[in-house]
Amino acid sequence: GENVGLHLPTLSVQEGDNSIINCAYSNSASDYFIWYKQESGKGPQFIIDIRSNMDKRQGQRVTVLLNKTVKHLSLQIAATQPGDSAVYFCAENGGLSQKLVFGQGTRLTINP
Amino acid sequence: EAQVTQNPRYLITVTGKKLTVTCSQNMNHEYMSWYRQDPGLGLRQIYYSMNVEVTDKGDVPEGYKVSRKEKRNFPLILESPSPNQTSLYFCASSHSGAAYEQYFGPGTRLTVT
Repeated sequence: GENVGLHLPTLSVQEGDNSIINCAYSNSASDYFIWYKQESGKGPQFIIDIRSNMDKRQGQRVTVLLNKTVKHLSLQIAATQPGDSAVYFCAENGGLSQKLVFGQGTRLTINP
Repeated sequence: EAQVTQNPRYLITVTGKKLTVTCSQNMNHEYMSWYRQDPGLGLRQIYYSMNVEVTDKGDVPEGYKVSRKEKRNFPLILESPSPNQTSLYFCASSHSGAAYEQYFGPGTRLTVT
């Protein structure tokens, strides 16, 4: 399940630091905005979602921020660990098909 | 263990030889979907199913078929594969109304020569 996109944005952080991954979305009518994590050789894994009528939601070590004015979504990971190394995708969900529309992804690399 | 399984995980085939990629989930999910993942294009939806006997096209359905005869299974059929269908395929499932939280299978790497 590796993402082999040649043009993936990359973010490198030191272990223990906080990571912030950003995403611009296009569809203002989406009901949910979501972050998925994809580790090498695996399928995407749900991390956290935020409903369109919210601007912040916190999970375990993660926080998602939604700015509808500028159509911007961010994922903050606190105290980044080696296991956080992966490609992170933002996604939108809504409409009759309930499909997920994925962004291009950001590769997060953790430096020891 | 709650999971989505796909078979095969890897497949190399030739143009025109019909193939089926199976997908099964054990979570009693109503919603199931197929995606393909390609470099530079990300994940795109091929087909989806809201429930048994209910299927519909996603964004890139050309060259694919699906069926949903049982709730747990959602096979992807390529009647006449072509090289442009070489890709990484993912099956996913979720409860209806909670499709923002989809559970993905491990992926099937398909190469069509």
